[in-house]
Amino acid sequence: GDSVTQMEGPVTLSEEACLTINCTYTATGYPSLFWYVQYPGEGLQLLLKATKADDKGSNKGFEATYRKETTSFHLEKGSVQVSDSAVYFCALYGSGNTGKLIFGQGTTLQVKP
Amino acid sequence: DAGVIQSPRHEVTEMGQEVTLRCKPISGHNSLFWYRQTMMRGLELLIYFNNNVPIDDSGMPEDRFSAKMPNASFSTLKIQPSEPRDSAVYFCASSLVGERGRNTIYFGEGSWLTVV
Repeated sequence: GDSVTQMEGPVTLSEEACLTINCTYTATGYPSLFWYVQYPGEGLQLLLKATKADDKGSNKGFEATYRKETTSFHLEKGSVQVSDSAVYFCALYGSGNTGKLIFGQGTTLQVKP
Repeated sequence: DAGVIQSPRHEVTEMGQEVTLRCKPISGHNSLFWYRQTMMRGLELLIYFNNNVPIDDSGMPEDRFSAKMPNASFSTLKIQPSEPRDSAVYFCASSLVGERGRNTIYFGEGSWLTVV
């Protein structure tokens, strides 16, 4: 079945460091891919998305490129801030038109000043 | 625009009590989801409604859990009787699923449940 695998955390970085959080998926067809972010004590917010191969989603300095050949959607940011500390979830829409979103296990990012 | 609205935000209850969580989806959305988040199991989809009809409830843990969606603007998740292992954050989410495909799923801020 469809699934999403993220790199395990926590990831601890110093402010202004580069960030990469790996995400790979298994799915039939061409699923839409998403990154959600969850700040402490809050719900999940959509960070960015891509709906077809080679699309690049971007928002708030974060980017992710839909790579069909490697079935990946890695999240990147060139210079992280303390305020980026959160849990990041990679997700995809499951097969069919069910609307069901399948999440990875989440990666905790901690940015130190 | 108002997002997905959940209540209560926080609930502390004693084991054996009934708990009812409420959700108002975004107006115009036709799909509604209940998720549970715990440290041990991460995010789990409990149940999914489309046009007020339950489509997939395979994630509902056991008969103590039930969910209803009497109309397009309201849903409840009920736990009766509650147990300490039900302590978690319960998220409601909604989206629009149509002929053109599936749109972004939007999440509420969650109901933080503690069963003592």
